Amino acid sequence: DTGVSQDPRHKITKRGQNVTFRCDPISEHNRLYWYRQTLGQGPEFLTYFQNEAQLEKSRLLSDRFSAERPKGSFSTLEIQRTEQGDSAMYLCASSLALGEYADEQYFGPGTRLTVT
Amino acid sequence: KQEVTQIPAALSVPEGENLVLNCSFTDSAIYNLQWFRQDPGKGLTSLLLIQSSQREQTSGRLNASLDKSSGRSTLYIAASQPGDSATYLCAVRGNTGKLIFGQGTTLQVKP
Repeated sequence: DTGVSQDPRHKITKRGQNVTFRCDPISEHNRLYWYRQTLGQGPEFLTYFQNEAQLEKSRLLSDRFSAERPKGSFSTLEIQRTEQGDSAMYLCASSLALGEYADEQYFGPGTRLTVT
Repeated sequence: KQEVTQIPAALSVPEGENLVLNCSFTDSAIYNLQWFRQDPGKGLTSLLLIQSSQREQTSGRLNASLDKSSGRSTLYIAASQPGDSATYLCAVRGNTGKLIFGQGTTLQVKP
């Protein structure tokens, strides 16, 4: 296993279309995170899962955004009715959380979304 | 609400110089702090993680320190090289899983 993978790496879509991104975490990592990063800014948290359960969602995650992790392995992030403001890099990370140990997050290469 | 600030926003140094990047955070109740490197258009590479009970971590030419009480961390890079040119991000983790990031310091090391 070579790390977190994301697909696609780049996506160009027209405003109003739906897009779906996939993230495959490091094997046996029980936590999976989604972040969004715009140019010149640090990543902003969107949501995270522990196994199949979605434990936290940011208020940035409007009702047009939905994320799933159906079997506790890969995850998908869907954006419906895309807007130009959704253009950003979408980053996925995973970690192995064990009890009180504060886990280290490992990031994928990201999916660059451009909404025209 | 946790806020993370990185100073300076950009830094240019000649090759071989030692340098310090700064990170400050407003809420000292953190579980850990991570330093990342990001190359243009790429994802994040984890450099160092400091648990809340630790004061510093070292990896090769990198040394990160943490002072929870003052809400500060520094990343020290020794003998900088052109290949160190990148954006460096610090992030803190509270009692939930999410990381709160600073805006980053963009480093240029000139040959």
